Formats: sequence, C-alpha cells, structure tokens
Amino acid sequence: EAGVAQSPRYKIIEKRQSVAFWCNPISGHATLYWYQQILGQGPKLLIQFQNNGVVDDSQLPKDRFSAERLKGVDSTLKIQPAKLEDSAVYLCASSLVPEGGGNNEQFFGPGTRLTVL
Amino acid sequence: DQQVKQNSPSLSVQEGRISILNCDYTNSMFDYFLWYKKYPAEGPTFLISISSIKDKNEDGRFTVFLNKSAKHLSLHIVPSQPGDSAVYFCAVTTVGTYKYIFGTGTRLKVLA
Repeated sequence: EAGVAQSPRYKIIEKRQSVAFWCNPISGHATLYWYQQILGQGPKLLIQFQNNGVVDDSQLPKDRFSAERLKGVDSTLKIQPAKLEDSAVYLCASSLVPEGGGNNEQFFGPGTRLTVL
Repeated sequence: DQQVKQNSPSLSVQEGRISILNCDYTNSMFDYFLWYKKYPAEGPTFLISISSIKDKNEDGRFTVFLNKSAKHLSLHIVPSQPGDSAVYFCAVTTVGTYKYIFGTGTRLKVLA
C-alpha cells in the first residue's frame, strides 16, 4: 500500500514570496490533516478535512494560509505572503474514518521543509 | 496553552535497558492516547495507542501505561535497541473528533 505522498520535500523562498505544498493521501482515507512542525516543537494542526469539507481550521492563519482538497483526494496548502516565522516542516497526514466511530491512527507523509529567508 | 507536555526533551539509555518516556495532559476530556516515533527527514509513524478504558497496553517491546487520575501516560521500551533512537511524540484526542494534539517530543538515544 502506497503511503502519503508530499512534494516538494524541500523549499527555500524569500519572505513575502508565495509557496504551495501538495499532498496525496492514502487511497480511501477520508480524513486529511495539515500540520506545521517548528523545530523543537510537536506538530501543530493547521487544518483538518473530512472528504472535501473543512472540519477544523481554527489554527490556520487565514490572512496568509489557504488550503483546499478538491474532489476529496489530493490537497494543497498555500502560503502567501510568507514570513520568516513560517519556516517549519509541513506535514500531511491521512486516516480512515472508522465504522461505528472510535479513533484511528494517522499516517504521515515525509513532510516539506520550508525555509523562509 | 500547552495541553500536552513532554517535559524531557531528551533521554539517553544504554542498549538492553529500559527506556521510559513520559507525557502529561491537562484536559480530562481526552480519552484516546497515542505514541508516534519520528526518524530524521521522515514523518511520524504510529507506534502504540491506548483507550481511556484501559490502563495498560502492550505490543512486543513497547508498553503504554495510562494514569487517568494523574493525567499522565508513559511509554516503556524494553529492551531498548539502537534502532529505537528517534524522537517520540505523544498525542491525545477525544474519540469521534479525529483531532489530535501532539506533545513537544522527547529525543531518545540508545547507546550501543
């Protein structure tokens, strides 16, 4: 079974530029997450999708960050314009929605390391 | 507000000995708890989980203990192996929300 794919793996941009990240979740996984992981910290949820609908984007800086999940499969996360403090690893994860409720583990992609100069 | 804390940023253990990683949470509404392992340049991978109806769950060399009254969970690795060297994150959630909050991580180094 193919894992969660992310691209690019690394990106270096200057502040005020824009950048986009792409994620392809595991086939059949309804839930997709974008996390921001700053060095020395744990992953912080930015946005959570259930199919192509947004479940939680309360921690997404909406003045500069946007995300979409068209057709409930692939997703893109965009930053425009970037700030120095956006330097981080951006992780995409997906999970199944268990029948009958309960929780299920998340499968993470390798992440995109963003450096803003 | 840090709802999930891993107070030890790093831990070194001799090969063959026990590694104990700790995690504290603040909200009693959390009822499902997970541990993830992360190697450099890779995403976190799921290791083991526990529901709030249990106080212990074992999977091979890995055991997770949950103390609900103390809002504390721990991960025991016995015996520790050099390949266990990684950053370990605890994560907590409330069943049905599918929303996970991660701790800050503990870097484990197992010395050969």
